Formats: sequence, structure tokens, C-alpha cells
Amino acid sequence: GAGVSQSPSNKVTEKGKDVELRCDPISGHTALYWYRQSLGQGLEFLIYFQGNSAPDKSGLPSDRFSAERTGGSVSTLTIQRTQQEDSAVYLCASSKHPGQGEETQYFGPGTRLLVL
Amino acid sequence: AQKVTQAQTEISVVEKEDVTLDCVYETRDTTYYLFWYKQPPSGELVFLIRRNSFDEQNEISGRYSWNFQKSTSSFNFTITASQVVDSAVYFCALSEAIRGSQGNLIFGKGTKLSVKP
Repeated sequence: GAGVSQSPSNKVTEKGKDVELRCDPISGHTALYWYRQSLGQGLEFLIYFQGNSAPDKSGLPSDRFSAERTGGSVSTLTIQRTQQEDSAVYLCASSKHPGQGEETQYFGPGTRLLVL
Repeated sequence: AQKVTQAQTEISVVEKEDVTLDCVYETRDTTYYLFWYKQPPSGELVFLIRRNSFDEQNEISGRYSWNFQKSTSSFNFTITASQVVDSAVYFCALSEAIRGSQGNLIFGKGTKLSVKP
């Protein structure tokens, strides 16, 4: 069966440019999460979607980061005016129904972002 | 505040040895979930197990077993008769029960396990 997919798998960009990262969750999963994995910070939560709404944006590191989800499915994480410290692997996860005993999050392969 | 501590940064064993990865957590909630994920060199996080705070029964799955003890806030993971394919970074994670609409994972720093032939 199809798992969580992310694109692109790798992205190299120049400092100051905007980037968009895409996540396709597992079909039928209502919850979607973005995390970031970097050498210095480990795995950090960024943002959570339930359906199309984002009740928890507490992990977004700055206002350069934003995310949206449409149709209760695909999500896009946008980083504006990228900085070198944004270089990391961005991971997406989805789960069925958090709060209804379906809390397990399944992860995609990640997008490796390098800001030069 | 919630926190997950994996004190072992790296462990190296020889194939067929047993190895235990430690995980200690902190939370003020009475209802929460604990997880282990495996991250092989390919990079993808693979789900291994989920435990809720009301279920302290230990679990065994093949060569893998998990020991959950609320009294010591620990959720340790043992691999029996390790194999080279077990080489990976293993993450322990905590999520609180859903309040409103939460549930994000709080990860430990991970333990890198190297199994040598």
C-alpha cells in the first residue's frame, strides 16, 4: 500500500530564495505533521494539521515558515528567504484519528534541504 | 514539560549479542503514548511500537522486546541476538493524549546502534 510520500527528495537552493516542500499523506489519514531533523537539534515538531486546519503551529521557528493543507490531503511547507540554518531534513508524517486510539504516526522519506 | 532522554548516544555490539536501548521520559499527563522508531541509513523513520500509559504489559515481537515501567518512567528496548541489519539510529518518542487537537511527538536524541559481523 502507498505510504507517505514527499517531494522533492533533495533540494539545493541559494540563501534568500523561497522553497516549497510537498507531502502526500496516507489515504484516509486525517492528521498530518511536519518535523525537521538537523544535526544540532535532533527531531523537532513544526506544525500539525487536523483536516485542513492547523490548530498547532507552535513549532514553526520563524514567520518565514508557513504551511497549508488542501482537500484534507496534500500539504505544502513553504520557507521564505531561506537561511543556511534552515538546512535540514524535513519529515512529514500522518496518522488516522488522533484522540481515537489511532495515534501512530507514519513517516515519509523526507526532503533533504541544503541552503548554500 | 515533556521530555525524552536517551542517554546512550552510540552503542556498538558484535552480531548475536543482546543489546538494550534505554529511554526515560518526563510528562505531567496521566494519559500518554510512547513510541520507538528505527531510522536505518536510508533515512526513513520506521515505526516499531506504540504503548499507551495504561498498558504496562511488556511486549515481544520476534527478536525485539520492550519493557515499560511507569514507576521509573522508562520504556526500554531490547534486541536479542542482534544482526547487522539492526544497525540504525533508534528514537524513543512521547506524545500526550489528545487535548483538543494535539499529539505531536517529542523525540529523544536517538541512539546509534552499530552491529558488527
